[in-house]
Amino acid sequence: DTGVSQDPRHKITKRGQNVTFRCDPISEHNRLYWYRQTLGQGPEFLTYFQNEAQLEKSRLLSDRFSAERPKGSFSTLEIQRTEQGDSAMYLCASSLGGWDRGINTGELFFGEGSRLTVL
Amino acid sequence: GESVGLHLPTLSVQEGDNSIINCAYSNSASDYFIWYKQESGKGPQFIIDIRSNMDKRQGQRVTVLLNKTVKHLSLQIAATQPGDSAVYFCAEREDSNNDMRFGAGTRLTVKP
Repeated sequence: DTGVSQDPRHKITKRGQNVTFRCDPISEHNRLYWYRQTLGQGPEFLTYFQNEAQLEKSRLLSDRFSAERPKGSFSTLEIQRTEQGDSAMYLCASSLGGWDRGINTGELFFGEGSRLTVL
Repeated sequence: GESVGLHLPTLSVQEGDNSIINCAYSNSASDYFIWYKQESGKGPQFIIDIRSNMDKRQGQRVTVLLNKTVKHLSLQIAATQPGDSAVYFCAEREDSNNDMRFGAGTRLTVKP
């Protein structure tokens, strides 16, 4: 399978615990994104990496959230001291992006998501 | 603030009919628009995209129309099939950033 892979697919945790999600992007994709999606809503942007550099972060990404992409390949998203409001689907996407004559290129390919339930 | 949204939350069509899913956006600076399909329990799947310098783009059984004057985007699905049943999202982005912003989605149900 050469698509975006996320692990675990489901996580149930108690409030206050820390959780970590992993994303393996499509090989050679330089851009990696994290989104959060709650029931009945569209995905909300959390953060974006170009290779190993975290270039953009949403205001939704509170200081309890941290994302890394240490070698420019896989990425992790950690949530510390989870709250019930963190319950959501966490989606990872990757793209082979760049700039072509002033156009920001690259189609996003999404993984299947990691569903978090905080009790 | 500016946002992306959808006119209708649900759409039900008969198998074989054409479907039209609409989307309104308010960011006049958006350069790039995408339609995604999301089936239950799965991640969004790319359907078709269009840049702001175009008003129409066709794919296999799908067509995206962009009307920048009224900031309206639509997805047309020809000969809708049961496998087309899903939630459809429009999304938009400016070239100057990588924040792809999604609407709330329209649930398409195809009746056999």
